[in-house]
Parts: sequence; structure tokens; C-alpha cells
Amino acid sequence: QVQLVQSGAEVKKPGASVKVSCKASGYTFTSYGFTWVRQAPGQGLEWIGWISAYNGKTDYAQNFQGRVTMTTDTSTNTAYMELRSLRSDDTAVYYCARWGPILVFHDYWGQGTVVTVSS
Amino acid sequence: EIVMTQSPATLSVSPGERATLSCRASQSVSSNLAWYQQKPGQAPRLLIYGASTRATGIPARFSGSGSGTEFTLTISSLQSEDFALYYCQHYYNWLPISFGPGTKVDIK
Repeated sequence: QVQLVQSGAEVKKPGASVKVSCKASGYTFTSYGFTWVRQAPGQGLEWIGWISAYNGKTDYAQNFQGRVTMTTDTSTNTAYMELRSLRSDDTAVYYCARWGPILVFHDYWGQGTVVTVSS
Repeated sequence: EIVMTQSPATLSVSPGERATLSCRASQSVSSNLAWYQQKPGQAPRLLIYGASTRATGIPARFSGSGSGTEFTLTISSLQSEDFALYYCQHYYNWLPISFGPGTKVDIK
């Protein structure tokens, strides 16, 4: 069965970086891509960007350009999202979600990673 | 950027009644529209893709319709487990995806 398992909760200070992982299992990793989405407390879903696990191609939301990097490791079937220069308003639950093989809707989601930014 | 809007923000419905949720795109997305359900403390769950195709394991009481800019999610007879938040999302033509702000379905 398809599973996406994310890394644990993080607490960071303003200005620091965080790297969240998403380990996939139960399917051919390189046939799909990953979207990263976040949800601030009590808010809706915000798209951060996506990456193809086939060719590593990425596309980032304008709000995160220059601050985010998404990568995949095909040897461990893991996707990563690194966010730099953290601010208090980056406090949110971060989700990875699988898309593909062609269309970008999300049939499987990770359980979410809580990232708290506080001095 | 395609902007998604949803209405109403909150829908109060009695168990067993029908619920109709609306989603609108700022420009045509053809049928490239998905619906998700989210319960407190959980990740979203895919309900509908292609505007009207139910995802695997989704009960037949959930149905989607529409194309272009206007879409509808209908829950024919609300069960207790259906009270949740619902989001629409477009995935048109490799443009940046976006989600609607959500509709909360709560118990009347």
C-alpha cells in the first residue's frame, strides 16, 4: 500500500532553516511527483511548490521563491523540502502529497509535520 | 495565477440532508478540478478528480460536476463522518496549482 511518512515536529528560531522529509513506499517512486503544501493554524491550504521525482524538475510558488528548495533522493525514495530564513508566520503544518503520473491532483498525503518558529 | 473561490464559507446541514458546495475558478480550468475533505488534525483526503470522478474508496453519496469555471460538490445524504472542511483545487495546464479557501460543513 502507498504510504508517505514525514519527519517529526520541528521548533526553530527566526532566521533558521528547516528541512522536512517525506519517505515514500508502496509504489514506483520515479513515476510520480510531490507537492508541498502548508496550513497555518486555523487557515487553509497554501501551495509551496512541486517536484518531479522522475527528472527533479521543480516549480515554486512566487511567495517562496529564493527561500525554498525541494529535492528527491531516489536511492531512499525520499522527498525533501528545505525552507530558509524562517519567520514566525512560517509556523504551520507542512504536508507532502503525491501527484501524477501526469496530472497534479493528490491521491496520497503525508501525515503532516508541525514546524514552529519562535524566539 | 488562477484564483479559486468557494461558497458558502460555512454550510449548516442536518444529518441525512443534501449538501451542495460551490467552487469557482477565475479563469477556465476545463475539468482539471479536484475536491478534498479534511477533518481536524488530519491530512486532506482526495474525494473527486477530473471534476466528477470519485477517487478510490469514496462513497457514491459524493458527486462532482461542472467544467470551465463553475464546479459543484454534492453530498446526497450527509452522514456524521461527513462533517468536515472541503477544499477544491485546480490543476490546469501545469500552471501553479491553487486551493480554494474551503467550505466548512457543520451540523445544523
